[in-house]
Order: sequence, then C-alpha cells, then structure tokens
Amino acid sequence: GAVVSQHPSRVICKSGTSVKIECRSLDFQATTMFWYRQFPKQSLMLMATSNEGSKATYEQGVEKDKFLINHASLTLSTLTVTSAHPEDSSFYICSARVPSTDTQYFGPGTRLTVL
Amino acid sequence: QQQVKQSPQSLIVQKGGISIINCAYENTAFDYFPWYQQFPGKGPALLIAIRPDVSEKKEGRFTISFNKSAKQFSLHIMDSQPGDSATYFCAASKGNAGKSTFGDGTTLTVKP
Repeated sequence: GAVVSQHPSRVICKSGTSVKIECRSLDFQATTMFWYRQFPKQSLMLMATSNEGSKATYEQGVEKDKFLINHASLTLSTLTVTSAHPEDSSFYICSARVPSTDTQYFGPGTRLTVL
Repeated sequence: QQQVKQSPQSLIVQKGGISIINCAYENTAFDYFPWYQQFPGKGPALLIAIRPDVSEKKEGRFTISFNKSAKQFSLHIMDSQPGDSATYFCAASKGNAGKSTFGDGTTLTVKP
C-alpha cells in the first residue's frame, strides 16, 4: 500500500507550548487528509478533514483555534496543537485519501505528552 | 448514536483457528466498508475493503462477508496466527466525502 509518514513519532512538551505535527503522503498526491485522535484502548476519533488549498473542516466539539490545520501542498498537512495542556496528551494519527477513491492510508501516529 | 457497532470487544483464538469479527451499521448511504489492523503504538493499516454490490471478498487469509439487507459485515481470518494478534477496526464511509465512521475495535489474541 501507499506510504504516509508522520513527524515526529513522539514529542514531549511543557504545558502552554505549541507543537506541530507533520503528515506527508510519500508516493501519491493527497487532496484530502484526515486527522484523528486516539486514546488508549479506544477507537479513532476524527478531528478534522484537511483539504489542500482550503480551510479544514472540523468535527463537532473540536476547537479549531486550538488544533490548527494547514494543508499547503498536495503531499503535506500539518496539525499544530496550540497552548498545549496535559489533557491534550494523546496519540494523533493522520491519514491521506488516494484521489478519486475511498482508500485511506494511515500514518504511523505521533505520541504527544504534555507535562 | 453510534453508527457502526463492532463485536466482540475482545477475542481469543487458538493458532490455526478462524477469527470472526462482526460489524453492523445503520446508515444505508454508506457504500465503502474497510477493515483495518492496528498494532500497539502504530497507525492502522488497511487490510481489506468491500462495497455493497458484492457479498464476499477474499484476500489471502482475510475474507469480508457482507449482508446488505441485514446491514452487517464481518471479517474472517482463516488459519489465525500469533502474528495476527492486534486490534481490528471496521469502518464505513459514504460517497467521495471519504470521512469514515469507525467501530470501537476488537482486540484479537491468537494463542500458539
């Protein structure tokens, strides 16, 4: 299958700082990428849909000013967690949709720990 | 209202046995049903997917059975191996929106 990368794989930061997570589709151009959050032993919770060249669409209950999403190119979407707090600690996963298909490929995830 | 219900929550199978995980959906507009495998600390990996116009799809040891009238689909893992021990998620999406609704996951343990 196609490869989607995420960077960093894990990050530890202090409360109040901002953290940027990158998601890249390595072998196809993705006009649509998705950002998920996953708590231990739970399912994936969709946070937002990222469309290249336009504003992200956020799911109900997700603060768009706290979770800033930028999809500036067809291979890169970024998620910035602003003013992070311990409750933002989680596993963040992106996925990229192959154009004109329903197929999504997931990144390896980023473990965020906010102290 | 949970749109995709997955069962069982956990499953233990002996090596060589058949693992069966079930999902039921409510939205008849869903038209794409993938299954994902996730190992601890990793992102989900697409295993196999099906559309409502077929009742079964097989890829290697993995088979999806789909019952449109019952709004149910299931994953069968034949000749289960210890390396199959992971969490499996079913999902459903509609149209080109691509936004997926996930089941709660099933933790599969295959005993040697």
